[in-house]
Amino acid sequence: QVHLVQSGAEVTKPGASVKVSCKASGYTFTGYYIHWVRQAPGQGLEWVGWVNPSSGDTNYAQKFQGRVSMTKKTSINTAYMELSRLTSDDTAVYYCAREDVSTLGVVLGFDPWGQGTLVTVSS
Amino acid sequence: DIQLTQSPSFLSASVGDRVTITCRASQDITTYLVWNQQKPGKAPKLLIYAASTLQSGVPSRFSGSGSGTEFTLTISSLQPEDFATYYCQQLYSYPPTFGPGTKVDIK
Repeated sequence: QVHLVQSGAEVTKPGASVKVSCKASGYTFTGYYIHWVRQAPGQGLEWVGWVNPSSGDTNYAQKFQGRVSMTKKTSINTAYMELSRLTSDDTAVYYCAREDVSTLGVVLGFDPWGQGTLVTVSS
Repeated sequence: DIQLTQSPSFLSASVGDRVTITCRASQDITTYLVWNQQKPGKAPKLLIYAASTLQSGVPSRFSGSGSGTEFTLTISSLQPEDFATYYCQQLYSYPPTFGPGTKVDIK
């Protein structure tokens, strides 16, 4: 079955960068966009952006422009999200999720989601 | 950005109850609305897409309806495994946005 497995928790300092990985299995990695969504402690869900694993094209939420980079390595079916210039407000669980689409190319939703990676920013 | 609101934000219910959650969009999103379920410490899970289509494997006690700006998620008979937080999400335009969530707790 389709699975997304993310890298482990990270603890990092303000001003630093963090890179989270998302390894896909059970489907053709290049056939579906990978989205990244974050959730601060006790808060709701916030979309960060997507990467097209086929072309490498990306689309980021305006809030993260200039600070986020999403990449992929197709040889190992893995997507990455790197966030730089971290502050305590970036402390959150970061999820990757596959964009599910219909045969007509209509986006149906995000399915499945990775298990999440807790990023803690603390001095 | 399209804003989504949900009501109620918190709901206390008993096993077997019928539960309805409402999601409202700040503009017409036709049926580009999905419902996700999230249990504590777990990733969200897609329940319903295109406002009313059940994702494969989701029990038939879940149903969705609506179009335009008003949508509902109904659980016909609440089961113990349904106690969770439910988020609506719009996919009509970028950026995709989520509602603030409705937490369904045990009465």
